[in-house]
Amino acid sequence: TQLLEQSPQFLSIQEGENLTVYCNSSSVFSSLQWYRQEPGEGPVLLVTVVTGGEVKKLKRLTFQFGDARKDSSLHITAAQPGDTGLYLCAALNDYKLSFGAGTTVTVRA
Amino acid sequence: DAGVIQSPRHEVTEMGQEVTLRCKPISGHNSLFWYRQTMMRGLELLIYFNNNVPIDDSGMPEDRFSAKMPNASFSTLKIQPSEPRDSAVYFCASSFNGGDTGELFFGEGSRLTVL
Repeated sequence: TQLLEQSPQFLSIQEGENLTVYCNSSSVFSSLQWYRQEPGEGPVLLVTVVTGGEVKKLKRLTFQFGDARKDSSLHITAAQPGDTGLYLCAALNDYKLSFGAGTTVTVRA
Repeated sequence: DAGVIQSPRHEVTEMGQEVTLRCKPISGHNSLFWYRQTMMRGLELLIYFNNNVPIDDSGMPEDRFSAKMPNASFSTLKIQPSEPRDSAVYFCASSFNGGDTGELFFGEGSRLTVL
């Protein structure tokens, strides 16, 4: 079983639409990270959220950490084809960074 | 600055052959991780080194897999003998101070195909 459950698994939307990706767990985390992975490349860190209830914005991307620090969401406003990729949430479990299975986002022009 | 460098980028081999994947972490980073990525299982941690010492190899699938880090700038992941189910993308990642700061810097991966 995955420590982190991500949903949906796949998401295909039209350019300009909004989307939300979820990352859930039954465990409490001290912090949670979001990475984006493009085809043929390794994951790249987008953001780290640390405080329960925290909201961070990165241009059109908004990240939220749940109050109980068990879940997180990533919202993209007015998605663009350049947002296409695999979005992965990750959390520290002891010293190991464990990843969710990811959400594959496709933004059609 | 150069990022994490992995080689080869692609490897196609036949079942039973030995495979060696190589990684050069970012200079100054003291933690190194080997991950394997497949469609079915996502990103799985295979082994974690801190200051060149293997700390946790519980993710290594079986004895056919071995990893070494002879110095701070080089690590290898070896599969001997290789099997078709080992086909995957293998990523090396490095960080400063292990998981405490959290951010991992990944290489571009080595795509392994075992026929």
